[in-house]
Amino acid sequence: QVQLVQSGAEVKKPGSSVKVSCKASGGTFRSYAINWLRQAPGQGLEWMGDIVPMFGKPNYAQKFQGRVTITADESTNTAYMELSGLTSEDTAVYFCARERAVKAPVFHYWGQGTLVTVST
Amino acid sequence: EVVLTQSPGTLSLSPGERATLSCRASQSVRGSYLAWYQQKPGQAPRLLIYDTFSRATGIPDRFSGSGSGTGFTLTINRLEPEDFAVYFCQQYDTPPWTFGQGTKVEIK
Repeated sequence: QVQLVQSGAEVKKPGSSVKVSCKASGGTFRSYAINWLRQAPGQGLEWMGDIVPMFGKPNYAQKFQGRVTITADESTNTAYMELSGLTSEDTAVYFCARERAVKAPVFHYWGQGTLVTVST
Repeated sequence: EVVLTQSPGTLSLSPGERATLSCRASQSVRGSYLAWYQQKPGQAPRLLIYDTFSRATGIPDRFSGSGSGTGFTLTINRLEPEDFAVYFCQQYDTPPWTFGQGTKVEIK
């Protein structure tokens, strides 16, 4: 069974960066896209981007282009999402999620979520 | 990007009743590439339906999806106590993948 375990909650200052990790176990890490999404308090879900570890080339939503960096380390089955230039509007729970099947961006497996709070 | 609008915002029903949730897209979603998720407080979303109609592994058959083009529906027959939650639709036809704002199904 595929499991995704994310790093713990973070508190950051405005203007700083945050890096969240997502460690996968079970399944084949390298072949399936790992996606990053976020959910602001009381809000809906927002897709930020994805990466297929075996290809290593990330795709980003235009909204986050230039501010987000998604990487994957096949040696440790871990994906990372780094977001820079943080503002209070980036306060949210950040999720990693794996697609249900190859090239099927429906999110069957989810991490537990990482709360990122941006505050002075 | 494709904007998904869900209605109603909140649905107040009793256990045993049927819930009908709507998701409308700002442009046609080709290939039936629409999914539904359930989310409970403090939890990650759970995939219920993909490809408009197909139930994900382990999802009971009281959940069903339908629709095409710009209009999609999630139906929950005979609501169970554990079904009271927030439901989101998602399109994966045109990147960026987008979600509706959610429908809350609450106990009446």
